Amino acid sequence: NAGVMQNPRHLVRRRGQEARLRCSPMKGHSHVYWYRQLPEEGLKFMVYLQKENIIDESGMPKERFSAEFPKEGPSILRIQQVVRGDSAAYFCASSPRPRQATNEKLFFGSGTQLSVL
Amino acid sequence: GENVEQHPSTLSVQEGDSAVIKCTYSDSASNYFPWYKQELGKRPQLIIDIRSNVGEKKDQRIAVTLNKTAKHFSLHITETQPEDSAVYFCAATIPGGGADGLTFGKGTHLIIQP
Repeated sequence: NAGVMQNPRHLVRRRGQEARLRCSPMKGHSHVYWYRQLPEEGLKFMVYLQKENIIDESGMPKERFSAEFPKEGPSILRIQQVVRGDSAAYFCASSPRPRQATNEKLFFGSGTQLSVL
Repeated sequence: GENVEQHPSTLSVQEGDSAVIKCTYSDSASNYFPWYKQELGKRPQLIIDIRSNVGEKKDQRIAVTLNKTAKHFSLHITETQPEDSAVYFCAATIPGGGADGLTFGKGTHLIIQP
């Protein structure tokens, strides 16, 4: 079991460009969560998805950010027209069942470090 | 919503000594408290967790205690070793508190001095 896979590990973008971050959950996990970590800060929840459905996006900024988890392929976190404030580490986590329902343990990927120049 | 405070932000201890990291939470309905260890540039990894029906849990050199009345929980690491150096995050879960329900503290940078 390869664990939660994220790519790229590092992503550099200029202001105004688009960033696409990918996350493949652990085998057998159909629940994906995205978190953002700013320097010297804890993890902040962004969005929770199941296959083809966004369940909770209460932590997502209202503009420029979107996420999807298609039937086939990885989950994608997309940031349009990036600004310097988007620079952060973005972590994906997965669980086999809804985390909240049973306090499932979360397994994190290695993260994508986004740097906006 | 839930608010989790974590102290200290930085902790330096001599190798072999014990380290204690403390967290408080605001919502008495919180019922699950995991601790994550994050080494530089790596993923957060769950090291221990405790549920609200238990007051203490131990796993080798690591232990977590929970005081529901005072709404605080602590991570204890005994006989610290250089590989314990990392950032440690506590978290609390409120039932029905959103999709993941996890609120994280801001982290403690633990430094083990040789």
